[in-house]
Amino acid sequence: DSGVTQTPKHLITATGQRVTLRCSPRSGDLSVYWYQQSLDQGLQFLIQYYNGEERAKGNILERFSAQQFPDLHSELNLSSLELGDSALYFCASSLTGTEGGDEQFFGPGTRLTVL
Amino acid sequence: LAKTTQPISMDSYEGQEVNITCSHNNIATNDYITWYQQFPSQGPRFIIQGYKTKVTNEVASLFIPADRKSSTLSLPRVSLSDTAVYYCLVGDPSRISSGSARQLTFGSGTQLTVLP
Repeated sequence: DSGVTQTPKHLITATGQRVTLRCSPRSGDLSVYWYQQSLDQGLQFLIQYYNGEERAKGNILERFSAQQFPDLHSELNLSSLELGDSALYFCASSLTGTEGGDEQFFGPGTRLTVL
Repeated sequence: LAKTTQPISMDSYEGQEVNITCSHNNIATNDYITWYQQFPSQGPRFIIQGYKTKVTNEVASLFIPADRKSSTLSLPRVSLSDTAVYYCLVGDPSRISSGSARQLTFGSGTQLTVLP
């Protein structure tokens, strides 16, 4: 158990819909990261937040957005869903993200299926 | 942006040493190299991290040559339970470039299969 929790575990929805994935970091961790893992794309970094502020950005689509709240939990919002958005979405957290080479602790993931 | 390249798959036998190499020709000065292990339908798990030369912990060693354009993860005496995908990650999530944010780059992953 990494200490990172993600809800829901599974999500099935239809094209065009909007969903919200939630992540609670390990106690004391200030940085949260979001990743997408699909069969043909491997593990893709989406975005990082540190203490409520966006810190680094990867290949995140404009239809996707994220935020980190004052209690440090984070939400990833996916809108206008397409079939290709079906994937495992992982959240990770690290202590600070302000020192080089922070170890990331990954949650169990949310499996999103778009029909 | 540091792109990484790893072998797609490797096979080994129980008890052997396994070396997995990751190429990262465009690694930046402040980038660290981190290796993660992932089992099916689970989140990746940290194995080891380094910046240069050699790092060793209780499960693995990481060799980084002076030019830092590659790195090699070494797993001593593998067992069946080491069958997993191994990812090389290059980046430094702590750095903010003025006007833009750095990305974290995972390799494509190496599927290691340990045979009895």
